[in-house]
Amino acid sequence: EPEVTQTPSHQVTQMGQEVILRCVPISNHLYFYWYRQILGQKVEFLVSFYNNEISEKSEIFDDQFSVERPDGSNFTLKIRSTKLEDSAMYFCASSERGSQAFFGQGTRLTVV
Amino acid sequence: DAKTTQPPSMDCAEGRAANLPCNHSTISGNEYVYWYRQIHSQGPQYIIHGLKNNETNEMASLIITEDRKSSTLILPHATLRDTAVYYCIVRVYGGATNKLIFGTGTLLAVQP
Repeated sequence: EPEVTQTPSHQVTQMGQEVILRCVPISNHLYFYWYRQILGQKVEFLVSFYNNEISEKSEIFDDQFSVERPDGSNFTLKIRSTKLEDSAMYFCASSERGSQAFFGQGTRLTVV
Repeated sequence: DAKTTQPPSMDCAEGRAANLPCNHSTISGNEYVYWYRQIHSQGPQYIIHGLKNNETNEMASLIITEDRKSSTLILPHATLRDTAVYYCIVRVYGGATNKLIFGTGTLLAVQP
C-alpha cells in the first residue's frame, strides 16, 4: 500500500541552526502539506503546497519556514534558524485534489 | 469549516463495539465529516468520511444523523491496538482549502 515516508525519524539540532525535514509523498498525489504537533498539544496545520507553490499557510508558518519540491518525488520543510519552541513532531501529508490526506509517521525535531 | 465537539475520553472493552460520538451542529450542506485517529505520537491515520449516507469500510462504520448535526464512528470489534485519539473533522470535500483543523479529539482506551 502506498505511504508517505519521512526522514529522518528524529533530528536533534542546536538553536540557531538550519534544519531540513524531508518527505516523499504518495506518487500520484498533487497536494502536499506540513503539520506539526508540539508535545501534548493539538496537530496544527502549517502549509499546503500545490503546483509548485504555497496554496495556504498558517500564522505559524513565518519567514523562518520554507517549503520546496526540489524534484519529482521529494517535498521538504526548511527551518532557517531553529528556536527552542520549534521542538515538535512534524508530519508531512499528501492527497489527491480535495480527497483525504495521508500522513507520514513524522520527524521528531528536538532543538537544544 | 464547522466546529466539532467530542467527549475527551471513552473506555471500551476489548472485542466490544466502540461508538464514538461527534457533534457538528453548524455543518453546512457541502461539508463532509472525516474521521482520523492518532496512535501515540504517530502520524494521523485516515479512517473514513461521509456526507449524509452511512458509510462502511474495512476499518469502521460512520453513522450520520438525518439532520447531519451529529455522527458516530463505530469500531465493530475493538482491539487493544485501537487505543488512540480519534478526531472528527468537518470540511468541504474538493474545496480549495484542503487543510484539516484538528481539535483535541476523543482518547479511546480499549481495556483487556
